[in-house]
Amino acid sequence: GQNIDQPTEMTATEGAIVQINCTYQTSGFNGLFWYQQHAGEAPTFLSYNVLDGLEEKGRFSSFLSRSKGYSYLLLKELQMKDSASYLCAVRYNFNKFYFGSGTKLNVKP
Amino acid sequence: DTEVTQTPKHLVMGMTNKKSLKCEQHMGHRAMYWYKQKAKKPPELMFVYSYEKLSINESVPSRFSPECPNSSLLNLHLHALQPEDSALYLCASSQESDTQYFGPGTRLTVL
Repeated sequence: GQNIDQPTEMTATEGAIVQINCTYQTSGFNGLFWYQQHAGEAPTFLSYNVLDGLEEKGRFSSFLSRSKGYSYLLLKELQMKDSASYLCAVRYNFNKFYFGSGTKLNVKP
Repeated sequence: DTEVTQTPKHLVMGMTNKKSLKCEQHMGHRAMYWYKQKAKKPPELMFVYSYEKLSINESVPSRFSPECPNSSLLNLHLHALQPEDSALYLCASSQESDTQYFGPGTRLTVL
């Protein structure tokens, strides 16, 4: 819902940096969340942006531009365990959360 | 403690059965959510409870009936489901409109 777009799949090498982009419809926007989900498991929270700019949390950073309806998740020093799906979720009108289709990240040795 | 628990972990039911999924959180969160997730798809919002009142129903068929007995518990009652309802059912909670924390999910199979 709400035209939340992410690339379907990405591949990167262990130790490298990868950027996963997300675009969304801006009307009613209240906040953007990134989640990691391993196959068969529940999503786990990674980061949250509501104001423009960069939020850094260890190896993970997330950026938001509200005017452009754009966010990215940056993963540094990739590890094999980072292989998972990364979900961009947008909160609209304070209570409705919609998820993008997710980006499957494959980390190779 | 950021734990949301869900029971059962797995559930197999026939199309004529009645069953319930349960979700519990003790973080004092006042918003609770049910999502449905099919394989290789993102979670889809089904229901939102805010302060124990149903605030959002995303046009979910009536064979799914949510219930919020108190601020810590959320149930999803299932009746006359179809095989296409087989999915992972996720519960989440949040403080007002803050970050949602997800439970491990119930994997439901409808035969």
